Amino acid sequence: QKEVEQNSGPLSVPEGAIASLNCTYSDRGSQSFFWYRQYSGKSPELIMFIYSNGDKEDGRFTAQLNKASQYVSLLIRDSQPSDSATYLCAVRTNFGNEKLTFGTGTRLTIIP
Amino acid sequence: DAGITQSPRHKVTETGTPVTLRCHQTENHRYMYWYRQDPGHGLRLIHYSYGVKDTDKGEVSDGYSVSRSKTEDFLLTLESATSSQTSVYFCAISESGTGTYGYTFGSGTRLTVV
Repeated sequence: QKEVEQNSGPLSVPEGAIASLNCTYSDRGSQSFFWYRQYSGKSPELIMFIYSNGDKEDGRFTAQLNKASQYVSLLIRDSQPSDSATYLCAVRTNFGNEKLTFGTGTRLTIIP
Repeated sequence: DAGITQSPRHKVTETGTPVTLRCHQTENHRYMYWYRQDPGHGLRLIHYSYGVKDTDKGEVSDGYSVSRSKTEDFLLTLESATSSQTSVYFCAISESGTGTYGYTFGSGTRLTVV
């Protein structure tokens, strides 16, 4: 079992709809969770991080964490063509461990 | 990317030759990392550093070595390049301590071994 798993996609969503991206992780001791966006040919950029169970909102983005079920999700509301990218989930297993483990990413395409 | 620079951006090299990639930061961050990114595998950690001359291996460290003689520079060396090391290499930096923040990535180096 991979440490961090994501559906590779592609996930196609109509413009204006909600895009839902999911990630599961295997280490129950994981503490910090990050979502990165990566445009084709570019480097990953951090868009959200979450540490506590529940929802965290930032603009059109909402991160959701459920530690009991070991999943973290990213919702993108009012999807725009500019949201078309690969989204990487990353997990830090515990405080003091400064390494992130990444999923393979989900490719999202927003259809105009 | 602000505060972090990778060089070169592109390189083609021959099998068996040594190659060194450079990562330079101006953020004075303690932690620096080298990842490679390949289709179907995502980002995989090669080596990382938690201070000057303090380095450790990641999950795919075979065939690679690193050095960090100054806070701002983290070098990745492919000792004898092989075709399996053709990849995009990303350097990343992180603030130390609480683990609150994620990484900031450099722009990447696309390496082709022929």
